[in-house]
Amino acid sequence: NAGVTQTPKFRVLKTGQSMTLLCAQDMNHEYMYWYRQDPGMGLRLIHYSVGEGTTAKGEVPDGYNVSRLKKQNFLLGLESAAPSQTSVYFCASGYREQYFGPGTRLTVT
Amino acid sequence: EDKVVQSPLSLVVHEGDTVTLNCSYEVTNFRSLLWYKQEKKAPTFLFMLTSSGIEKKSGRLSSILDKKELFSILNITATQTGDSAIYLCAVRNQGGSEKLVFGKGTKLTVNP
Repeated sequence: NAGVTQTPKFRVLKTGQSMTLLCAQDMNHEYMYWYRQDPGMGLRLIHYSVGEGTTAKGEVPDGYNVSRLKKQNFLLGLESAAPSQTSVYFCASGYREQYFGPGTRLTVT
Repeated sequence: EDKVVQSPLSLVVHEGDTVTLNCSYEVTNFRSLLWYKQEKKAPTFLFMLTSSGIEKKSGRLSSILDKKELFSILNITATQTGDSAIYLCAVRNQGGSEKLVFGKGTKLTVNP
């Protein structure tokens, strides 16, 4: 039982490049979330999903897209990365308690 | 807009001290308040509080909620160096999406 896993762990992008972050959970949770964490800002919700095939915007959705094609996976995409998207990205799943993945540290130069 | 404010933002204590971390909130149709501990990586769940005045306890950590005054406190007694972490408070409203709104966290440093 791995819980919530994220790939990759680290990534460096140049401005304008695209990438996809993958989140996988093996707890059969319906609800999944993507957050970003910046120094002094706490965790901010980017997008979330309440079930397979559904997605919704969170607090800071601009510049990101998501997909939930399978219940266990939640993908976060950056179509054209910007330096402002340099952050640590956390995926979480769960209903009452959210379980977090180990995070992806993304740097955009 | 839902809002969570934690204080202090940082705190340095010595081993053995007792600390109290504060979390105040403004949320439409409050449902629950959660505390998380974040060491080097992922936040880990500590407590979920839904009712006023009922203390949740786990070892040296305890937490209580006051829904009238809109705040919660997290107490840690006999602190240890392993308690050094960022402690995050989050609230959930009754909107049905189970979204959490997080505060900025309190960074606790426990020195030997």
